[in-house]
Amino acid sequence: GAVVSQHPSWVICKSGTSVKIECRSLDFQATTMFWYRQFPKQSLMLMATSNEGSKATYEQGVEKDKFLINHASLTLSTLTVTSAHPEDSSFYICSEAGDVSYNEQFFGPGTRLTVL
Amino acid sequence: RKEVEQDPGPFNVPEGATVAFNCTYSNSASQSFFWYRQDCRKEPKLLMSVYSSGNEDGRFTAQLNRASQYISLLIRDSKLSDSATYLCVVTPGDSSYKLIFGSGTRLLVRP
Repeated sequence: GAVVSQHPSWVICKSGTSVKIECRSLDFQATTMFWYRQFPKQSLMLMATSNEGSKATYEQGVEKDKFLINHASLTLSTLTVTSAHPEDSSFYICSEAGDVSYNEQFFGPGTRLTVL
Repeated sequence: RKEVEQDPGPFNVPEGATVAFNCTYSNSASQSFFWYRQDCRKEPKLLMSVYSSGNEDGRFTAQLNRASQYISLLIRDSKLSDSATYLCVVTPGDSSYKLIFGSGTRLLVRP
């Protein structure tokens, strides 16, 4: 299966700062990548679908101006949490679509964000 | 109502036990169904897909009942390494690639 990496694996920042999270596909050209968020003891919630070369599609309730997604190449998608606040503290996970006929997705290891 | 509902557990069982998890989904148009496993502070990993005819992979058996919108996972001969959170996952049925996750059922296998 595909291998997906994320960087950083964890980050602690002050309230009001912006944080960029990178998601890389290491052995697969991913035209579609997904960004999820998971709060403690809750399910993964899809935030947005990132499409290479075009604008991301955001899920209802997710602020596109706060969570900026850039998917400029087939191997890299970035999520920038702008003006982060403590309520943005969460586990952010990206995935890439594998075999679409099986709705297969390969997940990155996740980034744990803590906003002080 | 949540789109995918699971009993959060935890299920605390001894090694060698058989344990079953259930999941219900609300969208009758859902097309694909999966069980994922998530270890603490890690990403989810696909355990198995779930087919209408039911499918088995070693100690794991998954069943789907479309009429009742119900999915199950049976683990036989539990191992300590099976301790994890098991996520029930469905697709919305709108031909998108989205995955909708349940909040998971936690399993603790004790010696």
